[in-house]
Amino acid sequence: AQSVSQHNHHVILSEAASLELGCNYSYGGTVNLFWYVQYPGQHLQLLLKYFSGDPLVKGIKGFEAEFIKSKFSFNLRKPSVQWSDTAEYFCAVSPSGSARQLTFGSGTQLTVLP
Amino acid sequence: DARVTQTPRHKVTEMGQEVTMRCQPILGHNTVFWYRQTMMQGLELLAYFRNRAPLDDSGMPKDRFSAEMPDATLATLKIQPSEPRDSAVYFCASGLAPGNGAFFGQGTRLTVV
Repeated sequence: AQSVSQHNHHVILSEAASLELGCNYSYGGTVNLFWYVQYPGQHLQLLLKYFSGDPLVKGIKGFEAEFIKSKFSFNLRKPSVQWSDTAEYFCAVSPSGSARQLTFGSGTQLTVLP
Repeated sequence: DARVTQTPRHKVTEMGQEVTMRCQPILGHNTVFWYRQTMMQGLELLAYFRNRAPLDDSGMPKDRFSAEMPDATLATLKIQPSEPRDSAVYFCASGLAPGNGAFFGQGTRLTVV
């Protein structure tokens, strides 16, 4: 079975700071990778996803993530955060090739100070 | 440790049958979400409840889906009649509103044949 680790439970940044949230997964086969964001009081939304091809994927709101297969990592980045990025961020993984269960990380709460 | 519990974990059923999925949110959480996950659509919000009242079920096909919270410890998602296109993984999540994120259950993998 696959598993996902998000090592940062709570990250606090000032506006305009750069962001990198770590995500590592374990699974023996090929995977699809996702980052979701949940803004305060709202449901989960997809930020970006990786299925195959270019390991650097760009998502909404200026976010990007890089899949490094050798490190089993899919870290989320943003060059300059805004106060409105305050939210909880979830990394998720599912085995490739079929509609299989998503496994989520425990989430990282990002607080951006104005 | 506190966690969201979903049952069953897997369900295979024939088209036309009724399916009921159950979720036990974390004790004390007042917000419950139902999501459907497919590879093509990603994660879709079907419905969510706050303090047992449905706040948004616009993502749910009303003709066949229904979601309820009979009490604070149980949320149900029912499909009647089920169709093959309903095959997906259904996640329940609970949280404390606002802004505290959500804890997800492990999901119910539904296959309708």
